Amino acid sequence: GENVGLHLPTLSVQEGDNSIINCAYSNSASDYFIWYKQESGKGPQFIIDIRSNMDKRQGQRVTVLLNKTVKHLSLQIAATQPGDSAVYFCAVYSGGGADGLTFGKGTHLIIQP
Amino acid sequence: IAGITQAPTSQILAAGRRMTLRCTQDMRHNAMYWYRQDLGLGLRLIHYSNTAGTTGKGEVPDGYSVSRANTDDFPLTLASAVPSQTSVYFCASSSTGSTEAFFGQGTRLTVV
Repeated sequence: GENVGLHLPTLSVQEGDNSIINCAYSNSASDYFIWYKQESGKGPQFIIDIRSNMDKRQGQRVTVLLNKTVKHLSLQIAATQPGDSAVYFCAVYSGGGADGLTFGKGTHLIIQP
Repeated sequence: IAGITQAPTSQILAAGRRMTLRCTQDMRHNAMYWYRQDLGLGLRLIHYSNTAGTTGKGEVPDGYSVSRANTDDFPLTLASAVPSQTSVYFCASSSTGSTEAFFGQGTRLTVV
C-alpha cells in the first residue's frame, strides 16, 4: 500500500505569517495528491488537491506544491489565521477501492497570537 | 441539511459485545468508507464500498464487517469487541472517482 508521511508532527507559527506543511509519499503511480484539514472534534475536510501531472495549484490562501522528483508535497497557507489551527493530513488517491484515499499521519498546526 | 451522519457519537462497550456503528449519507454518493483514527497513526481504512451491493477490505479489516444494502447506508459491525478497537471511527462518502470525501463527525468508541 501507499506510504504517506509528514515531516513534523507539530508546527507552530505566528498569526499573520505563512505556514508550510510538508509531506513525503512513496508511490509515484498515485493520480492525485490531496490535503485535508481536521479541526478539533470534527471529521477531516477537503482543502485542495493536485493532479500528478501538475507542479503547483493555488486556492484561496492556500497553495499546494508537488515535487515528483523527490516525492514531496507541501501545503502553503498565506497569512495564517486562528481559524487555521487544525491537524492537516496529506493523502494520495490512486483510484477507487482499497487504494482510493490513503492518509498520512497528520501535522498539528498551532497558531500563536 | 445534506451530509453524512454517524451514530452514536460516543459509546463505551464491554469487551466481547457486538456493536454496530451507523452511517447514513444523503448526497447519493456511490463510494463510502470507514476509517479508524488513532493518535500517531492517522486515518486507516477499515472497509470500503464502491457502490451499493459491493464491499471491500481496507488496510485494517480484521474484527470488522460491513454491508451496503442501499446507496445511503453503510453500517460497520464489530462482532466481538476487543480493547484494541478503542478508537475514533469516521465514515466518509464520495462521488465515484472524486478526491473529495465528505466525513461524518465521528464515533468515539471505548472498549473496556
